[in-house]
Amino acid sequence: SAVISQKPSRDICQRGTSLTIQCQVDSQVTMMFWYRQQPGQSLTLIATANQGSEATYESGFVIDKFPISRPNLTFSTLTVSNMSPEDSSIYLCSVASAGGGEKLFFGSGTQLSVL
Amino acid sequence: QKEVEQDPGPLSVPEGAIVSLNCTYSNSAFQYFMWYRQYSRKGPELLMYTYSSGNKEDGRFTAQVDKSSKYISLFIRDSQPSDSATYLCAMSAEGGSQGNLIFGKGTKLSVKP
Repeated sequence: SAVISQKPSRDICQRGTSLTIQCQVDSQVTMMFWYRQQPGQSLTLIATANQGSEATYESGFVIDKFPISRPNLTFSTLTVSNMSPEDSSIYLCSVASAGGGEKLFFGSGTQLSVL
Repeated sequence: QKEVEQDPGPLSVPEGAIVSLNCTYSNSAFQYFMWYRQYSRKGPELLMYTYSSGNKEDGRFTAQVDKSSKYISLFIRDSQPSDSATYLCAMSAEGGSQGNLIFGKGTKLSVKP
């Protein structure tokens, strides 16, 4: 399985500000995925980040709110923009197993609290 | 009806007990089934992976899939305090390579010494 590092591990932010979360993988991957885990809720896919193309967003998530960068095959960032308390969640980066694999692996997550 | 239903617990058992965790689902197209373990303040860790129906065993863990009943289970034998975590079921029609796993809300398990 890939080693996935996320930074920061946690942060407390003020309403109206933005936070950028970084995700680094120890091997080259075609797609990287960003998930959100709200308190008491299921993990939900925000978007898929492909290197060299625009990210693909799931229903209910928009680029203006969650801009994503994917500058190379091992790195991606997710920005949570103009934050409100409803954005308080764990944000997780994930990648699929090598060789077109069916298994999904996750980073350690970013615990975000918005005041 | 939600696509994946999972009893959130919490579930508390004594050390050494057999634990049974379950999920039901509604989408008959699901073929890939996974169980994740998530410790507090950590990301989910893939525990078991099953394709289609049947059983899979790995040490103290056994995953079962019954597609006819749309029901999956995770059994933990000889449970240990280190098994205390939240267990998430996840499933999809295409597998993780597309990223779009559908997760249950998770069952919080506590194993008491």
